[in-house]
Amino acid sequence: AQRVTQPEKLLSVFKGAPVELKCNYSYSGSPELFWYVQYSRQRLQLLLRHISRESIKGFTADLNKGETSFHLKKPFAQEEDSAMYYCALSPNTNAGKSTFGDGTTLTVKP
Amino acid sequence: DAGITQSPRHKVTETGTPVTLRCHQTENHRYMYWYRQDPGHGLRLIHYSYGVKDTDKGEVSDGYSVSRSKTEDFLLTLESATSSQTSVYFCAISVGGNTGELFFGEGSRLTVL
Repeated sequence: AQRVTQPEKLLSVFKGAPVELKCNYSYSGSPELFWYVQYSRQRLQLLLRHISRESIKGFTADLNKGETSFHLKKPFAQEEDSAMYYCALSPNTNAGKSTFGDGTTLTVKP
Repeated sequence: DAGITQSPRHKVTETGTPVTLRCHQTENHRYMYWYRQDPGHGLRLIHYSYGVKDTDKGEVSDGYSVSRSKTEDFLLTLESATSSQTSVYFCAISVGGNTGELFFGEGSRLTVL
């Protein structure tokens, strides 16, 4: 069975501070990992996928297969980063049947 | 933009009534999904479709049915709504075929009284 755990429901940081949103997963194969973001009153949208290894809006995430983690990081948080963040795992069979974590609400204070 | 729209966006109904939510896409994507979003539970897959008339159950399918008679429309039906089905429902499509990269609709907020 596949599972995604986001241990922090709420995370609050000050503007300019580093931020790390944790994501741990369990899956027996080689999954694809994603981060999605939902800004207030908007649809969920893709932020990052581990395959692309790119930085979006200053966020990066590294897949650590040894620790089965895919933590999201940003060195200097901005107020506009305040949102709900979901980590998601896509199995290598039937890739669209993604499993999502419970989400972390990030608040960046001025 | 994958051209995906959901209707209705908001609905209030009473326990025991049937409800149908519609997801419409304009770009001929094969794979479509219905998720529900609940506080403390993240997003959970209800049903999905991999083509016209091809559907399958997700994690939380009890009390829900789906139909896909056309590529562009994926309908989610609650035959007899219950208060536990009060939620925000998101439709999604797989970008680029059967990939894990999902594009979501704007959501349908359903309240069952």
